[in-house]
Amino acid sequence: QKEVEQNSGPLSVPEGAIASLNCTYSDRVSQSFFWYRQYSGKSPELIMSIYSNGDKEDGRFTAQLNKASQYVSLLIRDSQPSDSATYLCARESGGSNYKLTFGKGTLLTVNP
Amino acid sequence: DADVTQTPRNRITKTGKRIMLECSQTKGHDRMYWYRQDPGLGLRLIYYSFDVKDINKGEISDGYSVSRQAQAKFSLSLESAIPNQTALYFCATSDSSGGGKDTQYFGPGTRLTVL
Repeated sequence: QKEVEQNSGPLSVPEGAIASLNCTYSDRVSQSFFWYRQYSGKSPELIMSIYSNGDKEDGRFTAQLNKASQYVSLLIRDSQPSDSATYLCARESGGSNYKLTFGKGTLLTVNP
Repeated sequence: DADVTQTPRNRITKTGKRIMLECSQTKGHDRMYWYRQDPGLGLRLIYYSFDVKDINKGEISDGYSVSRQAQAKFSLSLESAIPNQTALYFCATSDSSGGGKDTQYFGPGTRLTVL
């Protein structure tokens, strides 16, 4: 089983809709989770980090974490064409070995 | 100026050549990382360094070596490049003072092609 799994997509939503991106992970040790956005040919940039169960909101973005079910999701409200990108989910390995393991990413396309 | 810089940004080389990719940061972070990204495979960790004297192998270190010349500089070398090392390479940094909340910041990337 892959450590961090994401649906590769593409996920296509109309402008103004809610985009829902999901990620599952395989271990119960991970404590910190991150969502990065990556435009084609560019470097990943951090959108959200989440460490506790529940929801965390930042503008149009909401991250949701459920450690018991081992999934983390990202909701993008009022999606814009500029949100079209690949979204990478990552989890920190925890303990004293602070490494991130990334999923393969989900390609989101927001259609005008 | 960018906080994390990588040189070169693009490089085309031939099989068997030695290549060095360089990363510099002005963020004052102690931790630095090298990743490669391939289509369909996501980001994979090559090497990471938690300080100048601490260097660790990642999941795909074979064929690569690194040097942490200073806190701000972390270089990746391909001793004898091969075509399957063609990829987009990213350097990243993070700050250990975050107490485990280890946000990584990425450089702009180096696109390497090995012919």
